[in-house]
Amino acid sequence: QVQLVESGGGVVQPGKSLRLSCAASGFTFRSYGMHWVRQAPGKGLEWVAVIWHDGSNKYYADSLKGRFNISRDNSKNTLYLQMNSLRAEDTALYYCARDSIPYGDYGCPDYWGQGTLVTVSS
Amino acid sequence: EIVLTQSPDFQSVTPKEKVTITCRASQRIGSALHWYQQKPDQSPKLLIKYASQSFSGVPSRFSGSGSGTDFTLTINTLEAEDAATYYCHQSSSLPITFGQGTRLEIK
Repeated sequence: QVQLVESGGGVVQPGKSLRLSCAASGFTFRSYGMHWVRQAPGKGLEWVAVIWHDGSNKYYADSLKGRFNISRDNSKNTLYLQMNSLRAEDTALYYCARDSIPYGDYGCPDYWGQGTLVTVSS
Repeated sequence: EIVLTQSPDFQSVTPKEKVTITCRASQRIGSALHWYQQKPDQSPKLLIKYASQSFSGVPSRFSGSGSGTDFTLTINTLEAEDAATYYCHQSSSLPITFGQGTRLEIK
């Protein structure tokens, strides 16, 4: 079965960096695009970024203004999110999710991990 | 950016009732509208993709309809386990966006 396990969250000071990882199993990772979606405490879902199955295209939410970078290592079945210049408003549970369309551009996330919590605080 | 507006924000219903949640898009998105269920302390689960296609393993009481700008999620014969927040989501164009959520309380 599809499994996505996020890691790398924690407490970080404003202005610092953090890298999240998402280990995938139970499907052919290199065939699917992947998303990061976040959820601030008590709030709704906010899409963060998507990366194509082969890493050839990446797109981000406008609000991130170049601070985040999504990447993947298909040899390790792992998705990453490099987060720089972190702000208090980046505090959230970060989910990785598989896109529903293999070899496609992007569709909807179909399977989600359990999330990793990032807290930005001094 | 395409804005998705759900209604209502909150609904309290009794078991066996029929529930309808709507999602309106700020511009036409064809059928690229999807529905998720999120229970407390759980990750979101896909219910309906592309407006009306049921995702694998989803109970048949969940159904979706609509196209263009107006979409509906219907839950027939509501069960206690359906207490959750429901989100619509569009993949017609980037940036991908979500509705604000509809919280469903079971009396």
